[in-house]
Amino acid sequence: DGGITQSPKYLFRKEGQNVTLSCEQNLNHDAMYWYRQDPGQGLRLIYYSQIVNDFQKGDIAEGYSVSREKKESFPLTVTSAQKNPTAFYLCASSIGGSENSPLHFGNGTRLTVT
Amino acid sequence: GQSLEQPSEVTAVEGAIVQINCTYQTSGFYGLSWYQQHDGGAPTFLSYNALDGLEETGRFSSFLSRSDSYGYLLLQELQMKDSASYFCAVNSGNTPLVFGKGTRLSVIA
Repeated sequence: DGGITQSPKYLFRKEGQNVTLSCEQNLNHDAMYWYRQDPGQGLRLIYYSQIVNDFQKGDIAEGYSVSREKKESFPLTVTSAQKNPTAFYLCASSIGGSENSPLHFGNGTRLTVT
Repeated sequence: GQSLEQPSEVTAVEGAIVQINCTYQTSGFYGLSWYQQHDGGAPTFLSYNALDGLEETGRFSSFLSRSDSYGYLLLQELQMKDSASYFCAVNSGNTPLVFGKGTRLSVIA
């Protein structure tokens, strides 16, 4: 079955440490995205990539970094510069190239930083 | 910029009909999407409207009025499993979706 895998489901880190969230898809989608979700909030875009080796900042990119070395993978690093990193992180992919490409989401990683 | 407004919470009775509204302001507009998310889970795609009118998919329907910058999701014959958050999202062409803050639907017996 094709899909998006995010790991781990729960992640705990100490303040000041960088942490990398994994996102892998086998849907052969060109575009991949990272969203952040806080309680009672919608999904806010962190970074997105429409093609391998290229990515763009979203609305809340500060304190985050990404890479897109392979079509299947789009890891997100939460750096120590991110002031409020505790949140639910969702990775998504889409076929891309069309305004009607629905997003396919992974099950998310819940990050807690103390 | 882009902004979307939808009610934060809605409660409805099992078997009834509920409508979740969404108004948007955007500099470019191709269509309006709706996603469902159960607590702690992944959002899943429900529907997409690019043209004015009603799109029906089983118990769920979605409506769009481009001139009013308004859309809604209509859920009929509500079931307990429909309790979830529902997000509208604007498609603006070659840029990623922009989501509203979501409407938490509680279905009660």
